[in-house]
Amino acid sequence: ETGVTQTPRHLVMGMTNKKSLKCEQHLGHNAMYWYKQSAKKPLELMFVYSLEERVENNSVPSRFSPECPNSSHLFLHLHTLQPEDSALYLCASSQDRVNGYTFGSGTRLTVV
Amino acid sequence: AQSVTQLDSQVPVFEEAPVELRCNYSSSVSVYLFWYVQYPNQGLQLLLKYLSGSTLVKGINGFEAEFNKSQTSFHLRKPSVHISDTAEYFCAVSDPGNQFYFGTGTSLTVIP
Repeated sequence: ETGVTQTPRHLVMGMTNKKSLKCEQHLGHNAMYWYKQSAKKPLELMFVYSLEERVENNSVPSRFSPECPNSSHLFLHLHTLQPEDSALYLCASSQDRVNGYTFGSGTRLTVV
Repeated sequence: AQSVTQLDSQVPVFEEAPVELRCNYSSSVSVYLFWYVQYPNQGLQLLLKYLSGSTLVKGINGFEAEFNKSQTSFHLRKPSVHISDTAEYFCAVSDPGNQFYFGTGTSLTVIP
């Protein structure tokens, strides 16, 4: 247990489904992140929230919609995904650059 | 912006042999350096970090890394690897703007 909890651990969804990924941290961190990790590709930063405000969106398709209702929770809402969106989605949180990031265990998403 | 280079995408090594995983970054200006390990279907876990002081830092699981400012390198080493060290290893840099940059990862495979 790292202090960052992601649910569900595995998700299989059809291209017409709507689902949400959840991330929760009780470390007192003030920033949270969504990363996408595909096979044979570098980690891709998707979204950054600092003090619950979105500060970065790296040109992510609109079929991915983040939500940060408070400093402890982060969601990634998914709709009309494509098979190439299948990947491991990682949530991370941080307080400052000294301590780096704390990652969750990820959600393995398969789009069929 | 920083760039982090991990030249070796895959490193096979026999059990109980030493290993070095290489990491180079683009600028030494007030950077903090990190190594993370990722086991299959897990998130990234912090191995060690360099903030300041002694250039040799020790981390968990018997790993250590050496900061070399002149060569802008932060190579990870272990004198004797175990089967359980088989994993993906990521080097990361944080800059004064609290931006975090990850390398592309090195897959370490320990051969019995």
